[in-house]
Order: sequence, then C-alpha cells, then structure tokens
Amino acid sequence: AQSVTQLGSHVSVSEGALVLLRCNYSSSVPPYLFWYVQYPNQGLQLLLKYTSAATLVKGINGFEAEFKKSETSFHLTKPSAHMSDAAEYFCAVSLYNQGGKLIFGQGTELSVKP
Amino acid sequence: GAGVSQSPSNKVTEKGKDVELRCDPISGHTALYWYRQSLGQGLEFLIYFQGNSAPDKSGLPSDRFSAERTGGSVSTLTIQRTQQEDSAVYLCASSSPTGLGYGYTFGSGTRLTVV
Repeated sequence: AQSVTQLGSHVSVSEGALVLLRCNYSSSVPPYLFWYVQYPNQGLQLLLKYTSAATLVKGINGFEAEFKKSETSFHLTKPSAHMSDAAEYFCAVSLYNQGGKLIFGQGTELSVKP
Repeated sequence: GAGVSQSPSNKVTEKGKDVELRCDPISGHTALYWYRQSLGQGLEFLIYFQGNSAPDKSGLPSDRFSAERTGGSVSTLTIQRTQQEDSAVYLCASSSPTGLGYGYTFGSGTRLTVV
C-alpha cells in the first residue's frame, strides 16, 4: 500500500534561513505528489504538485520541490524563510488506480524565528 | 461558488447526539472528499464521491458515520450517537475531474467538539 512519511513533526528555522521539509513516499506505481500548507484555523492550500512532468516543481510563495525517484523523496524547500511561512505543511500522494484519493503524511509544523 | 464552503464552521454537541456537517463543493467539480483532522494527527480519509459512481467508503471509522451527496453537488456527513473521540476538524475537498493530477480545493472545515 502507498504511504507518505514526513520526517520531523516540527521544524524551526530563523528568518532568512533555508527551509527544508522532508517527505518520502512508498508506491509501486508512479505517483502524483503534492504539498499543501495549512495556516492556523484555515483549510489546506495547494503549494505545488508533481504529475510526472518536470522533476523540479515550483510552487507558490517561493517554494519548490524535487521529485527523486531513486530516493522516493519529494522534499520541499525555500531558499529564505519568511515569518509568514510559519504553518503546518502536508505532503500527499495520489495514485491513478485509487480514484484520486490523497494519502497524507502526518504533517510538519514550521516555526520561523525572527 | 468561488470555493468549497462548509457549514457550520464550529459545532459543539453533547455525547450521544447526532450531527450533520454540510459541504458545498466548487460548481462543476465532480469529485468530493471528506477528511478528518484530529489534534496532533494527520488527515484521515473518510469517504470519496465521484460523479454517479458508488462512493468509496473505505475510510469511515464506524457505522455511526455516513455521507451522501445529492444531485452530484452538496454533500452531508452525518455522525450518529457522537462520541468524544469524534471531536476533530472535518474537512471537505473537491476536484475536477478527480484529484489525480489536479489536487484538491479544501474548505475551511467544521470543528466538531463533543462534550
């Protein structure tokens, strides 16, 4: 069965520092991969998605993620953290033979220190 | 509508009561999903509707949970005889035509508290 693992339930960075949120997936077929962000008391917003085109995907708010099949990873990065990036981030996988159902990781809470 | 609308935004109910949560998807979106987000937990899949196909109910945690989608649009999630462990944020999402490569659009959720 497919699954998603996010390493680190909480990540803290200083403003201006690199953001790296880790996501590994397990799947026997090529997956579609997504990153979502959830700000406090809000729903989830799509940051970016990988759908078998370019392996380096750029999203909103300066985030990007690289699909690495050999490592079964889809880590999320941002070169310079901003205070407004503080939120919960979820990685998710979707398989074409699962009707589009998304399987989510446990989430990583990002804190940004001034 | 412009986004996925969920109501109520907050619901406090007594243990043993039934509750209904409503979701209005984006107009024209054929796929609709319900997820549950408990404190400190990830998102747990509950149920999925796609057009006129039979729903995927594989995530419903017990027979106290049910959902329907009328006219391929509005969906209602019903929890009967609520228990304290049902307290969570219930999120609805829709996509077109399925979530495969499009991702979902989520509503803001209904925060259910069972006391």
